[in-house]
Amino acid sequence: GAVVSQHPSWVICKSGTSVKIECRSLDFQATTMFWYRQFPKQSLMLMATSNEGSKATYEQGVEKDKFLINHASLTLSTLTVTSAHPEDSSFYICSPLKTSETGEQYFGPGTRLTVT
Amino acid sequence: RKEVEQDPGPFNVPEGATVAFNCTYSNSASQSFFWYRQDCRKEPKLLMSVYSSGNEDGRFTAQLNRASQYISLLIRDSKLSDSATYLCVVNWGSGTYKYIFGTGTRLKVLA
Repeated sequence: GAVVSQHPSWVICKSGTSVKIECRSLDFQATTMFWYRQFPKQSLMLMATSNEGSKATYEQGVEKDKFLINHASLTLSTLTVTSAHPEDSSFYICSPLKTSETGEQYFGPGTRLTVT
Repeated sequence: RKEVEQDPGPFNVPEGATVAFNCTYSNSASQSFFWYRQDCRKEPKLLMSVYSSGNEDGRFTAQLNRASQYISLLIRDSKLSDSATYLCVVNWGSGTYKYIFGTGTRLKVLA
């Protein structure tokens, strides 16, 4: 298995402010990190893929200047939602890549962001 | 056609029932297939990988049909604790770690 933590688990912020979400892989090193978001009753949607020490690759429709990703170390990646708006309210989940025979993905516990 | 498609449900079944979910995927190059379970407001957790030959883990059986591009999950002797959303997950092509998630099928097991 793998142990992944996210912080904070839940945050409420005012419109226009920025929020930073941290994701840590506690028992392994991850050169690649995936960031997902999930709106209510919808599927997980991949937002971006980041590799340690290089710029993240964003999926179509995801604004790279709004969702800043920093993957400065093999155990820590951060996602900053800048100038948050109510439509950014979502469940954000990180997934550090741990290579396994099965290809199983491991997920952080998620951060629920509510923008008022 | 959606990349990964599931019936959203909900499937309401009594305890002890057998229930089956299907999932179709559009990319014929996909190589890895999984069923994840997601409880409300929690992250997804791996239930089982799906192998070409089909595989079973206790009350759960997964099947893969490459020709028709669908996977299935069968749950026998449903328990109340099986109530959750079941996500079909497919990797997007050979040699890639990009995974596509279905919207999930919601299961409610009733006492």
